[in-house]
Amino acid sequence: AQSVSQHNHHVILSEAASLELGCNYSYGGTVNLFWYVQYPGQHLQLLLKYFSGDPLVKGIKGFEAEFIKSKFSFNLRKPSVQWSDTAEYFCAVNAQYKLSFGAGTTVTVRA
Amino acid sequence: GAGVSQSPRYKVAKRGQDVALRCDPISGHVSLFWYQQALGQGPEFLTYFQNEAQLDKSGLPSDRFFAERPEGSVSTLKIQRTQQEDSAVYLCASSLVVDSFRDTQYFGPGTRLTVL
Repeated sequence: AQSVSQHNHHVILSEAASLELGCNYSYGGTVNLFWYVQYPGQHLQLLLKYFSGDPLVKGIKGFEAEFIKSKFSFNLRKPSVQWSDTAEYFCAVNAQYKLSFGAGTTVTVRA
Repeated sequence: GAGVSQSPRYKVAKRGQDVALRCDPISGHVSLFWYQQALGQGPEFLTYFQNEAQLDKSGLPSDRFFAERPEGSVSTLKIQRTQQEDSAVYLCASSLVVDSFRDTQYFGPGTRLTVL
């Protein structure tokens, strides 16, 4: 079975700072990789996903993620965060049909 | 169009009560998933339907948990004789195609269950 590890439980940063959230997974076969976001009071929404091809994936709201197969990693980045990026971020892996999620990282952006 | 909807949004149950949680997937979506999210954790898979067929129920924590999707659209997750450890947010997700390996799952707002 696959598992997903997110490096940070809670990240606090100021507006305009750069953000990087770590995600590692353990699974030996082909996987699809996702980042989901949950804004306060809202449901989980897809930020971006990787299936194949270019390992640098661009998503909504200026987010991007890089798949590094040799490191089993799929880190999320944003060059300059805004207060509205305050949310919980989940990395997920899909080796069949079901998603396996990390524990999530709470990101707080201070104005 | 409308997204995945779930009801009720909040449910408080006394230990030992039975509860039923409803999920309305996006119209036309073939696949439907239930996940359980404990406080401070990521969602964990419970069960998977393809139309009305329950193809995987390996994540259901005990035989007190039962899910159905009799007509291939609305699904109900039932928990019998609720226990305090059942307290969690129950998420429903749906996706369009039969091969959910490559498709995006769209999540509902969840039902927060508190068992006293």
